[in-house]
Amino acid sequence: GENVEQHPSTLSVQEGDSAVIKCTYSDSASNYFPWYKQELGKRPQLIIDIRSNVGEKKDQRIAVTLNKTAKHFSLHITETQPEDSAVYFCAASRNSGYSTLTFGKGTMLLVSP
Amino acid sequence: GAVVSQHPSWVICKSGTSVKIECRSLDFQATTMFWYRQFPKQSLMLMATSNEGSKATYEQGVEKDKFLINHASLTLSTLTVTSAHPEDSSFYICSARPGTDHTEAFFGQGTRLTVV
Repeated sequence: GENVEQHPSTLSVQEGDSAVIKCTYSDSASNYFPWYKQELGKRPQLIIDIRSNVGEKKDQRIAVTLNKTAKHFSLHITETQPEDSAVYFCAASRNSGYSTLTFGKGTMLLVSP
Repeated sequence: GAVVSQHPSWVICKSGTSVKIECRSLDFQATTMFWYRQFPKQSLMLMATSNEGSKATYEQGVEKDKFLINHASLTLSTLTVTSAHPEDSSFYICSARPGTDHTEAFFGQGTRLTVV
């Protein structure tokens, strides 16, 4: 089955700095890669996703890059703000809405004012 | 976006009792729903895939007889933790995806189970 590795497990940055979280996956058939943000005690919320037919996607301060050959994808947050502090999970799945999402172990991001 | 509602949001029960958690898709039909367990400061671990009208598919290491899953309709899946013990205390969360092609997964609010 799919295996998703995520690094780093914790990341501390100063407000205004950029943050980068990296993930690798093992199943070459995976072609959908979402990123979720989870605040303490709350449900995960999708912040951005990318499909295997594109290499990069951007939404305001958030961007995701995908390298299919190397089987890795990354989340980039620019101009970080304290409210960006949360746990971020990457995930991967195959082509189907009924396919399971395999999650990385998560990255706790702390943005200090 | 689509809405997935989970109930209850928290529950405290005595050892040996059973607890039922409901997961509903409010504005779409979900043939498949997913149940996860999350320990503090850890990732979402898939427990089982709930299939409407058929048996659930359990992940390796998850006891079928302990975590009973029923998916009786296209909008409701239930997880029953039977004969609960303190080690079953955890955050349980369900998820569903409205479509068939790379669609976003929506999560319920989660249920904090504490077994005393």
